[in-house]
Amino acid sequence: GENVEQHPSTLSVQEGDSAVIKCTYSDSASNYFPWYKQELGKGPQLIIDIRSNVGEKKDQRIAVTLNKTAKHFSLHITETQPEDSAVYFCAASYGGNAGNMLTFGGGTRLMVKP
Amino acid sequence: DTAVSQTPKYLVTQMGNDKSIKCEQNLGHDTMYWYKQDSKKFLKIMFSYNNKELIINETVPNRFSPKSPDKAHLNLHINSLELGDSAVYFCASSQSRRDKNIQYFGAGTRLSVL
Repeated sequence: GENVEQHPSTLSVQEGDSAVIKCTYSDSASNYFPWYKQELGKGPQLIIDIRSNVGEKKDQRIAVTLNKTAKHFSLHITETQPEDSAVYFCAASYGGNAGNMLTFGGGTRLMVKP
Repeated sequence: DTAVSQTPKYLVTQMGNDKSIKCEQNLGHDTMYWYKQDSKKFLKIMFSYNNKELIINETVPNRFSPKSPDKAHLNLHINSLELGDSAVYFCASSQSRRDKNIQYFGAGTRLSVL
């Protein structure tokens, strides 16, 4: 089955700096790679996703890159703000008849210091 | 309106009891999921279900069973609760179409087994 590794497990940055979180996956059949943000006491919330036919996607301060050959993808957050502090999860899946079962990375706790 | 809602938010029970967690989605999705998040924040898929197919993660004990009275609901039944079942359980839903399979998560149910 799919295995997703995520690094680093914790990341502390100064407000205004950039943050980068990296993930690798094992199953070359995976074709969908979402990123979720989880705030304390809440469920994961999708912030951006990328599909295997695209190498990069950007949404305001957030961007994701995908290298299918190397089987890794990364989340980039620019101009970080204190409200970006949360746990971030990457995930990978291969869509099937019963939707897609996400395999998550271990999470990155991002702390943005004001 | 909450898109994916779970009840109860907190559940405290004794070892050996049987309990259920309810999940409802009002997004018109055809596929629903249950995930377990342990104390180290690892998120793991338990089930994926639509009206055509139930996919069970092989690591899930058969004490856990999903029950779907209709497309908008997927409840989780747990028999003979054990201490190791203590975790946060998340329900999610999506469309099964591969190009529209973004998953939306509920706020979670924190289960504590004493």
